[in-house]
Formats: sequence, structure tokens, C-alpha cells
Amino acid sequence: AQSVTQPDIHITVSEGASLELRCNYSYGATPYLFWYVQSPGQGLQLLLKYFSGDTLVQGIKGFEAEFKRSQSSFNLRKPSVHWSDAAEYFCAVISNAGNMLTFGGGTRLMVKP
Amino acid sequence: ETGVTQSPTHLIKTRGQQVTLRCSSQSGHNTVSWYQQALGQGPQFIFQYYREEENGRGNFPPRFSGLQFPNYSSELNVNALELDDSALYLCASSALGGGPSEQYFGPGTRLTVT
Repeated sequence: AQSVTQPDIHITVSEGASLELRCNYSYGATPYLFWYVQSPGQGLQLLLKYFSGDTLVQGIKGFEAEFKRSQSSFNLRKPSVHWSDAAEYFCAVISNAGNMLTFGGGTRLMVKP
Repeated sequence: ETGVTQSPTHLIKTRGQQVTLRCSSQSGHNTVSWYQQALGQGPQFIFQYYREEENGRGNFPPRFSGLQFPNYSSELNVNALELDDSALYLCASSALGGGPSEQYFGPGTRLTVT
């Protein structure tokens, strides 16, 4: 069965600093990978996705992620964090057999002024 | 373009009662998926509806059931509510057609069971 692990439950960074959120997946075939962001009490907003092709994908709000098959990872990055980026971030994988999203446990990002 | 909407926003029910949650999909989308998100956890897949038929189900008991209507809107019904059913219920719509697709989420319905 497919699974997603986000090793960091909480991360705190200073405003303007760079950010990397880790995501590891377990899936036999080529995965389809997503990053979502959730503000408190809100639904999920899609930041970016990887289906195929270039392993470095660009998303909204200045985020990017890199797919590394050898490491089964899909880490999310941002060069300079803004206070408004404080939220919960979820990595997810989808199987080609269906359209079911399997989510990681999430990483809560806090931004210090 | 109208996004995914859900109603109600919040709901309080008593253990043993039944509840119906509603979701309107994004324009042009034919598939609706439902997820349960317990506090402090990632969303868990409940089931998916495609063209009014169930198209996959997660590890949830039969008291969780659903419907999809010809306009692709959907309902999630939960019978015999238990305290552990307290969660944020998220609906996501997508345009399924031969491969994986992006899912767009609504704001969710916060269900509290007392």
C-alpha cells in the first residue's frame, strides 16, 4: 500500500529565511505527487503537482518541489519565507489505479518575525 | 468559475444521530471525493463518486455512505454517529478522464459529535 511520510511535525523559520519541507513516499510504480497548504480551519489549497517530466516543478506563491526517485522524496522549498506562509503543509500521492489521495501527517510551519 | 462549496460550515450532533453533508463540485468537474480529517492529522480518503457511481472506497464502515447527483454535486451521509466521527469533512472535485487528476478542495464541514 502506498504511504507518505513527513518527518517534521513542526518547523519554525525566520521571515526571509529559506524553507525546505521534507516528504518521503512509498509506492511501487511511478507516483503522482502533490503539495497542499491548509490555513487554520480552512480547506486545502493545491500548491503544485508532479506527474511526469522535469523533476523540478514550480508552484504558486513562490514554492517549488523536486522529485527524486532514488530517494523516494518530493521536498518542498521556498527561497524566502513570508509571514503569510505560516500554515500546515501536506504532501500527498495518488495512484494511477484510482484517484485516491494518500496524505502525509502534515508539517506545521511557524514564521518568526 | 465557481469553486468547490460545502454546507453546512459547522454542525453539532449527538451520538447515535444521523448527518448529511453536502458538496457542490467545481464547474466542469465530474468526480467528487470525500475525506475525513481528524484534529492534528492528515485527511483520510472515505470514498469517491464518478458519474453517480461509487468509484473507490477507503477503510470506512458502511454507515458512511454517499450519493452523487446528475449535476455532479454530492452528499455524504453518516449513520449512528460516534464520538470519533468528530472531524473536518472535506470534499474535493476533479475532472477524471483516463488518468490521475488534480483535486480541488472545498472549505470543509466541521462536525462535532457529543
